[in-house]
Amino acid sequence: QKEVEQNSGPLSVPEGAIASLNCTYSDRVSQSFFWYRQYSGKSPELIMSIYSNGDKEDGRFTAQLNKASQYVSLLIRDSQPSDSATYLCAVIDTNAGKSTFGDGTTLTVKP
Amino acid sequence: NAGVTQTPKFRILKIGQSMTLQCTQDMNHNYMYWYRQDPGMGLKLIYYSVGAGITDKGEVPNGYNVSRSTTEDFPLRLELAAPSQTSVYFCASSYDAVFATDTQYFGPGTRLTVL
Repeated sequence: QKEVEQNSGPLSVPEGAIASLNCTYSDRVSQSFFWYRQYSGKSPELIMSIYSNGDKEDGRFTAQLNKASQYVSLLIRDSQPSDSATYLCAVIDTNAGKSTFGDGTTLTVKP
Repeated sequence: NAGVTQTPKFRILKIGQSMTLQCTQDMNHNYMYWYRQDPGMGLKLIYYSVGAGITDKGEVPNGYNVSRSTTEDFPLRLELAAPSQTSVYFCASSYDAVFATDTQYFGPGTRLTVL
């Protein structure tokens, strides 16, 4: 089992719809959770970080964390074509400083 | 404030050659990371450092070496390049690895091809 698994893509949604991206992790000591967006040929950029169980909202983006289920998700409301990218889930073991990324989910938002 | 810079941007190596990928950050970050990203895949951690003089192996360290003599620099050394090392290499840094200070900032990447 991979340490960090993301729902296999590609994921395609129409403009204005809600895109749902999911991530599960296996290491219970993971304490920090991140969603990065990566456009083709570019480096990853931070979308959201979340540390506590529950929801965290930032504009059109909502991250959800459930440590008991070892699950973190990202919802994108009112999806725009500019949201088309690969979304990477990352977890950090803050004790060791070690980070682990998932393989990413590619999202396409169709006009 | 340039953030994280990487050189070179592109490089072609022949099998068996060696090279050093440079990474520098000007944000006074303690933590630095090297990742590789193969086509269609996520980031695999090669090595990381929690401060000057301290380095540790990540998920895929074989064939690579690192050093961290200063806070700013974290070079990655490839010895005896192999085609399996063809990839895009990203360097990243963060201030710390605890709440609210563990966001990683990435450099632009180095695209390496080994023929």
